[in-house]
Amino acid sequence: NAGVTQTPKFRILKIGQSMTLQCAQDMNHNYMYWYRQDPGMGLKLIYYSVGAGITDKGEVPNGYNVSRSTTEDFPLRLELAAPSQTSVYFCASSYQQDSYEQYFGPGTRLTVT
Amino acid sequence: AQKITQTQPGMFVQEKEAVTLDCTYDTSDPSYGLFWYKQPSSGEMIFLIYQGSYDQQNATEGRYSLNFQKARKSANLVISASQLGDSAMYFCAMRESTSYGKLTFGQGTILTVHP
Repeated sequence: NAGVTQTPKFRILKIGQSMTLQCAQDMNHNYMYWYRQDPGMGLKLIYYSVGAGITDKGEVPNGYNVSRSTTEDFPLRLELAAPSQTSVYFCASSYQQDSYEQYFGPGTRLTVT
Repeated sequence: AQKITQTQPGMFVQEKEAVTLDCTYDTSDPSYGLFWYKQPSSGEMIFLIYQGSYDQQNATEGRYSLNFQKARKSANLVISASQLGDSAMYFCAMRESTSYGKLTFGQGTILTVHP
């Protein structure tokens, strides 16, 4: 199993550009999450999904969109990138909402200049 | 209101000594889970230990143990016999039963292990 994979690892965007952060898991997990981590801070939830076709907002959803067309994939879309979106983005997944462990991807480091 | 509070921005410990990283939490949900994650300088999030609110005993995983004091709403991580490789950022996180598995993280504590 590859676990949770994220692409790209690093990206630099200009203000106003758009991009999609890819996240995939091969563990047949129903629950998937996107978090962002600002420098020196803890992680904050952007969006989450409880299964294919079902998504909902987290704590900091503004400026982002998600979709979940398959169990495996949970891409995060940034429209009109802003410097405030400079952060490290983590995707995570778990089989059930009360699973013992939430598995994290390696993260995507995004810089918006 | 802050749901997870880690009051120690940085901690230092001598190699082979034990260290306690503090975490307090706030919830009105009687069913919740508490997690500790390690984030080394390479950036990945490594799961360390889990404690459920109804667990009678404190969780242990190798050199990691969780000192769970429910009445005080604290879930401190104890690392015994510290190693140089323990130097990292440590995050406490909480999951409430009504949260669809979402984790709420504290601000983190940077642990430095001195030889």
